[in-house]
Amino acid sequence: GAGVSQSPRYKVAKRGQDVALRCDPISGHVSLFWYQQALGQGPEFLTYFQNEAQLDKSGLPSDRFFAERPEGSVSTLKIQRTQQEDSAVYLCASSPRYLAGTDYTGELFFGEGSRLTVL
Amino acid sequence: QQQVKQSPQSLIVQKGGISIINCAYENTAFDYFPWYQQFPGKGPALLIAIRPDVSEKKEGRFTISFNKSAKQFSLHIMDSQPGDSATYFCAATFLGNQFYFGTGTSLTVIP
Repeated sequence: GAGVSQSPRYKVAKRGQDVALRCDPISGHVSLFWYQQALGQGPEFLTYFQNEAQLDKSGLPSDRFFAERPEGSVSTLKIQRTQQEDSAVYLCASSPRYLAGTDYTGELFFGEGSRLTVL
Repeated sequence: QQQVKQSPQSLIVQKGGISIINCAYENTAFDYFPWYQQFPGKGPALLIAIRPDVSEKKEGRFTISFNKSAKQFSLHIMDSQPGDSATYFCAATFLGNQFYFGTGTSLTVIP
């Protein structure tokens, strides 16, 4: 596809339900990031993959949050037992190369996000 | 602790005017400072970026000014247009492993 695709675009969940958010990165992009964006705030880092390896998950707010990228392309962010404070837009971004090193451009290509509302 | 502090929160500028958004950072290890533009319902998109060995970078109407000693950088939008109305985020990263974003500036350009 032409860009990063996320689904669903909108999700309403009852408190306590589990949700799964999908990200299809740009084909061939090695790096993939998940960010959480609360209303009126900047994106907050959740986790980072390089191919299928999850290199950094320090931003995941609790053990209810889990992300995977089993084949190094599509990624899923799963939130178990959702709480009202989980309501936010979840952004996925991909980047075309390994970001470590001196030659990276630093450009993240973001999807349009999945808006999660927990009632 | 907020790694990148951004101001102002909102900005209203007349068409043709100059829009200025400021950011300050704490971590001197940061080596890449991008600015992202976000329209409602869309994901952020890279606008312009700078590395700390350069004091200024210009791309069209957009300029980043970088002050390494003050740990500050700013975005200048010259000849602001209504189509520039969006939310702007500054960011910083070290080796690109984690990007720290500012809280955003909502820019409105009045025709």
